[in-house]
Amino acid sequence: QAVVTQESSLTVSPGGTVTLTCGSSTGAVTSGHYPHWLQQKPGQAPRTLIYDTTNKHPWTPARFSGSLLGGKAALTLSDAQPEDEADYYCLLSYSGARVFGGGTRLTVL
Amino acid sequence: QVQLQESGPGLVKPSQTLSLTCTVSGDSISSGGYYWSWIRQRPGKGLEWIGYIYYSGKSYFNPSLRSRLTMSVDKSENRFSLRLNSVTAADTAVYYCAKTLAVWGQGTTVTVSS
Repeated sequence: QAVVTQESSLTVSPGGTVTLTCGSSTGAVTSGHYPHWLQQKPGQAPRTLIYDTTNKHPWTPARFSGSLLGGKAALTLSDAQPEDEADYYCLLSYSGARVFGGGTRLTVL
Repeated sequence: QVQLQESGPGLVKPSQTLSLTCTVSGDSISSGGYYWSWIRQRPGKGLEWIGYIYYSGKSYFNPSLRSRLTMSVDKSENRFSLRLNSVTAADTAVYYCAKTLAVWGQGTTVTVSS
């Protein structure tokens, strides 16, 4: 089974920009992995912010964007807000099966 | 507005079978093109994909759980279910159901203990 890797933790200043990445043990991440990005706050169910690399849900704040960057999937947060402090998970698809990354704890400080 | 609600026993004995149901409201589970997912989160850990199923019954499972896992869809009751047999303490987790990965239930805690 593939392993999906994410930064364990990152810190961003309020108003700043940060990029979270998502790599695959099988090689470069492509659109064919249909990358998803999920946000989870303490005590809450996760919610998907980005699906299929770049697509946003209606509830996704405009300051979040998804892309492919240097062989990885990336989630960029611009103009970080205190409420963006959370755990972020990447999910990749491998011929139907899905694998989550270990998650990135994002601190806004 | 689509809503999902997990239900099932909160306590399961080791070696027994964990059975959970996800009831869907505000949408038909038979609506085509969508898959219905199960995800879990062990205490203090990250998310783990369990598997998903289409209304047709076609399913994809986590390889590490496949030998113990069954999923089904009940179109008449508009719900889908998960059965995980031979459970151990390692199956203690919050279990979430989701429509694709867009709409999530609130999660239900399952503890495996004698």
